[in-house]
Amino acid sequence: DAKTTQPPSMDCAEGRAANLPCNHSTISGNEYVYWYRQIHSQGPQYIIHGLKNNETNEMASLIITEDRKSSTLILPHATLRDTAVYYCIVRVAPTNAGKSTFGDGTTLTVKP
Amino acid sequence: GAGVSQSPSNKVTEKGKDVELRCDPISGHTALYWYRQRLGQGLEFLIYFQGNSAPDKSGLPSDRFSAERTGESVSTLTIQRTQQEDSAVYLCASSRLQPPYEQYFGPGTRLTVT
Repeated sequence: DAKTTQPPSMDCAEGRAANLPCNHSTISGNEYVYWYRQIHSQGPQYIIHGLKNNETNEMASLIITEDRKSSTLILPHATLRDTAVYYCIVRVAPTNAGKSTFGDGTTLTVKP
Repeated sequence: GAGVSQSPSNKVTEKGKDVELRCDPISGHTALYWYRQRLGQGLEFLIYFQGNSAPDKSGLPSDRFSAERTGESVSTLTIQRTQQEDSAVYLCASSRLQPPYEQYFGPGTRLTVT
């Protein structure tokens, strides 16, 4: 599975959009991009996933570049409850799921 | 519906003792995963069960670690002769084997080895 690179931390003002980048330059054609988040002391929570098209759901939007080497998770109106560690992983679903370790992610801090 | 549950939520054990951690996946989820998360670090894959196929044990750190799963139900992770470096939160997740294959995580078991 492709390795991902994320910034270790980011800040965002409450009510503003939070844009979290992820680089996955070695992604293969059949690998999906998944985003999860982990709020302190809880298990990770699925947010969104995509293959090559941009995706949107009730939680967030996912923008994948045309060459698929990077993606951005967008939280359109960040709230204090969005403070968490955000993990970007790529994998061929569903096999090899475990081999895509979650890494250290990006710690997003939403400030009032 | 019910999510993934894990027990116990906290476990304190003495070095050298064996421990068993339990995971109840979401009903109908064929795939089950175990991860370890040390304090302040990301998730480390341990083992993956997919239906009746042979499990992927490639993430188990040593032969002191083992896991079993009966069919598509409960799984137990066993750590023998625990060491202090085994102290971590052990997370279990389950997923369907159909798109989008997202994993649903349990709350974890916090293991402390003294």
